[in-house]
Formats: sequence, C-alpha cells, structure tokens
Amino acid sequence: DIQMTQSPSSLSASVGDRVTITCRASQSISSYLNWYQQQPGKAPKLLIYSASSLQSGVPSRFSGSGSGTDFTLTISSLQPEDFATYYCQQSYSTPFTFGPGTKVAIK
Amino acid sequence: EVQLVESGGDLVKPGGSLRLSCAASGFTFSDYTMNWVRQAPGKGLEWVSSISSSSSYIYYADSMRGRLTISRDNAKNSLYLQMNSLTAEDTAVYYCARAPRLLSPKPDAFDIWGQGTLVTVSS
Repeated sequence: DIQMTQSPSSLSASVGDRVTITCRASQSISSYLNWYQQQPGKAPKLLIYSASSLQSGVPSRFSGSGSGTDFTLTISSLQPEDFATYYCQQSYSTPFTFGPGTKVAIK
Repeated sequence: EVQLVESGGDLVKPGGSLRLSCAASGFTFSDYTMNWVRQAPGKGLEWVSSISSSSSYIYYADSMRGRLTISRDNAKNSLYLQMNSLTAEDTAVYYCARAPRLLSPKPDAFDIWGQGTLVTVSS
C-alpha cells in the first residue's frame, strides 16, 4: 500500500498569510495526487486534482504542485473561509489512500 | 443540481449487517465510477470501495474486504454498500462520492460528495 504523510499536522495562520502544506507519498505516484478541504461537520470538497489542476469553482488562491513523491498545496492569501482541514489523496493505485490531514487554524 | 444523498445509517450491534444507499441526481449516473469513503469520529478520511460505471471493475479496502459488497443500479441512479460482520471500528460517517472522469475503470478523484450517513456499531 502507498502511505501518504502530510506536514505539518496543524498550523496557525492569520488572514492574508501565505500557507504551504506538504504531502509525501511512500513511492512514486506520478501526478495522481488530489487535495481536499473539509470544514467541520461537512463533506470534503475537491480543490486540486492531478497534482496541479484547479477544480472548477475553486478560488485561484489555491494552487498545487509536485510530482513523483513530493507535493505541495499553497494558499496564496488565507481567507476566513479557508480555516479547515486539508487532505491529500493518491489515485495511483488501490487502496486510494488519504493523508492524515493538516488542520489550519486561526492565529 | 448535481446531488448525492446517502441513507441507511443506523445503530447496529457488533456482528450485525447494514445496507447503505446513495441516490444520485443531476448527472448521468451510469457514466461515472462511484465510491464510498468513510470517516470515523474525529479521524481522517478512509477510502472504502469503488465500482466502475458498468460494474465491471470493483475495488475494496483491505480493512473491509470480505465483509463488503458494493453494487449499483444504473436504472435507479443508485449506489449501495452492503456491510456485514460489523465491529466498533466500522463506526463512521460513510460518504458516497463521484469520480469525475467519464467511463474510467478506477477513480481519479472524488469531485461530488453526499452529506454522509452515520453508522454506529455498539452493543
């Protein structure tokens, strides 16, 4: 199975800050990497697919990069509605594993 | 409006069974691979199972293999998950989710999610 790790597990940031979350796969997954945002009590929302493609309707302040084993999600200017938990997920092979999540909290 | 609505979650005793359903609307259900993802209370997301558009390809998480049957009825725009021999570790919100790539044998991502249905396994 491909293991996904994320760092940091949590962070505190202020509105307007630039935030970067890292995801690492235990083996190469090419660009089969997706990012999701989950607000408390709600279903996850797809932000980025195929490592760097912005899902329709997602603000352009979100961006993704990377390939192989190392990936990043960047929020260029954090907004109040961005405080949430972010998950990466690989779609390279079964089981389609998720990372443990990164909680972004208000500083 | 594109929508997924899960149902069937309940309180069940250890060793019991449950069948979850997911009703789809607003898109051509028969064109998409469909999936179940679960989230235990206070925990992260865990992929459970996927089924391709024509049911030709089916995948299960090892943690639940042998206890699960995923199925779909394209005429009814519905997805199902039959779960048997449930344990406390199966307690979670179960989400139905669509994979966006048309007629793909496996999910590339999960772009549309339902609101989830809660399964509680307890005596």
